[in-house]
Amino acid sequence: DAGVIQSPRHEVTEMGQEVTLRCKPISGHDYLFWYRQTMMRGLELLIYFNNNVPIDDSGMPEDRFSAKMPNASFSTLKIQPSEPRDSAVYFCASSLGVEQFFGPGTRLTVL
Amino acid sequence: AQSVTQLGSHVSVSEGALVLLRCNYSSSVPPYLFWYVQYPNQGLQLLLKYTTGATLVKGINGFEAEFKKSETSFHLTKPSAHMSDAAEYFCAVRASDGATNKLIFGTGTLLAVQP
Repeated sequence: DAGVIQSPRHEVTEMGQEVTLRCKPISGHDYLFWYRQTMMRGLELLIYFNNNVPIDDSGMPEDRFSAKMPNASFSTLKIQPSEPRDSAVYFCASSLGVEQFFGPGTRLTVL
Repeated sequence: AQSVTQLGSHVSVSEGALVLLRCNYSSSVPPYLFWYVQYPNQGLQLLLKYTTGATLVKGINGFEAEFKKSETSFHLTKPSAHMSDAAEYFCAVRASDGATNKLIFGTGTLLAVQP
């Protein structure tokens, strides 16, 4: 298996623009997690899905952030409008059992 | 609620020296415990995990950890550090609601290995 796939790997955008991050989980996994990592705040869980259904989005910073999982093989995290404080590395992870498998991350820079 | 405390955000050892990274947890149910490693510009990858059974768990790259219930600890050790061990290490505990695969992560320990 190719593992968790994230795209793009790097994104540079200007404040106010819409940003969409994409994730393809490992085939057969039924949980998908979105995390954000910054130097200041460490690793934060934003939202997670079970069988494509959002279970807990309490970590989503504000209404500018939204996530969807239209099917078992694809999820998106959208930021609209983006702000400089959204600059971070965003990770997607998937699991079947309790072990989570992480993607390589998307490094987002908002100017 | 569960929590994970990693003592020491930065640890520096000499090549060949013992590595000891500390992790304490709180959980209202028997814990599932994990150590993940993150190399620069990469995602997290699993080093080892404890679910049930033997309390001394061996992982990849010569690392091991011991679950000590009485001390609520799950410290990570390696007898002899290698330059390639330089990375950030995260301890995690499974959320005790038992109904999900959510993990609670510690704040991480950055390990530096000096030549």
